[in-house]
Amino acid sequence: DIQMTQSPSSLSASVGDRVTITCRASRGISNYLAWYQQKPGKVPKLLIYAASTLQSGVPARFRGSGSGTDFTLTISSLQPEDVATYYCQKYDSAPLTFGGGTKVEIK
Amino acid sequence: EVQLVESGGGLIQPGGSLRLSCAASGFTVSSNSMNWVRQAPGKGLEWVSVIYSGGWTSSADSVKGRFTISRDNSKNTLYLQMNSLRAEDTAVYYCAGAVRGGDLLYWGQGSLVTVSS
Repeated sequence: DIQMTQSPSSLSASVGDRVTITCRASRGISNYLAWYQQKPGKVPKLLIYAASTLQSGVPARFRGSGSGTDFTLTISSLQPEDVATYYCQKYDSAPLTFGGGTKVEIK
Repeated sequence: EVQLVESGGGLIQPGGSLRLSCAASGFTVSSNSMNWVRQAPGKGLEWVSVIYSGGWTSSADSVKGRFTISRDNSKNTLYLQMNSLRAEDTAVYYCAGAVRGGDLLYWGQGSLVTVSS
């Protein structure tokens, strides 16, 4: 099975900083990659699908990129409401594995 | 408006069985792929099972042979039958629906399953 590895597992940044989270697949998954945001105590929310397509209603400061095995989620200017854990997920075929998550905090 | 409402969670002894339900409104379960995703306390998301629109199913190795995903098209409801439950199955179980390839756009509020004696 394909493994999904996210890094870092946590980060702390200042408001307005550019934040980058990476997700690596152990084998190529084309662009079948989604990113989710889970705020504390809340249900996960889809941010990006097909590696780089922003889900409707998601702020434009979120950007996804990559294809094959290496993917990136970038927050161009971190806001206080972005405090959350972010997960990548492959969905090319089952098992639809999630990455381990990246916890984003404000410094 | 799409709503997915889980029910059936609770406290169960190790070795016991439980069936989770996910009632959908504003969304047709049989026309889309439906998933169960779980989250153990303080841990990350773990994909559990999927049922595709054509009826094909797949499950994670950690639950294979113990959990069964199914749906009732007439009730527009998704199910997860969980047998031989273990302490490590303790988690919030979410149902989640995909309308495109498999990205999970719609999520329920979650149902807590606690396996303990």
